[in-house]
Amino acid sequence: AQSVTQLGSHVSVSEGALVLLRCNYSSSVPPYLFWYVQYPNQGLQLLLKYTSAATLVKGINGFEAEFKKSETSFHLTKPSAHMSDAAEYFCAVSGGSNYKLTFGKGTLLTVNP
Amino acid sequence: NAGVTQTPKFQVLKTGQSMTLQCAQDMNHNSMYWYRQDPGMGLRLIYYSASEGTTDKGEVPNGYNVSRLNKREFSLRLESAAPSQTSVYFCASSAPQKQGLNEQFFGPGTRLTVL
Repeated sequence: AQSVTQLGSHVSVSEGALVLLRCNYSSSVPPYLFWYVQYPNQGLQLLLKYTSAATLVKGINGFEAEFKKSETSFHLTKPSAHMSDAAEYFCAVSGGSNYKLTFGKGTLLTVNP
Repeated sequence: NAGVTQTPKFQVLKTGQSMTLQCAQDMNHNSMYWYRQDPGMGLRLIYYSASEGTTDKGEVPNGYNVSRLNKREFSLRLESAAPSQTSVYFCASSAPQKQGLNEQFFGPGTRLTVL
């Protein structure tokens, strides 16, 4: 069984500040991990994914995430927030023989001017 | 490539009415999925189809049926709509690159209100 916990349903930062969105996972098999972004009234778009090739993963729009097996974490960061980063972010895990993605409940990021 | 398309974008139903949500993908993906999204609940899997000709229940299948019409199309049917089915519905597709690596591509969603 797999599960994802996103700490903080709402994160607020100032423009130019560091963005840190937390994700912890549970998996009985080697996990593949994803971050998706959802802008208002749109579908989900892939930001980045961990496929075991490298523990530090770079994605689109300046985001990156680091896979830490010892902490079962895959936190998303961006050094400097931009107003256009305001959206909801979802962490997800897949792995093993099943065909499913398991999503966290999401974190809404607000960027203040 | 259009990716994953969904129709309609918006729908209002009365309790007890039926409707079918349509989804199509042009990426030649084997697997397709239906999710619902409710505030504070994330995305919950309703049904999925690992390959053409197969369908399986997800986390919240009650009140829904699906049809994998062909490799491209996967529809979701509400036989007798209830207010609890008011939600945003997303279709997704994937072609697992290796076992367990399941990057999914999402459609724009259907906003359904049941009165």
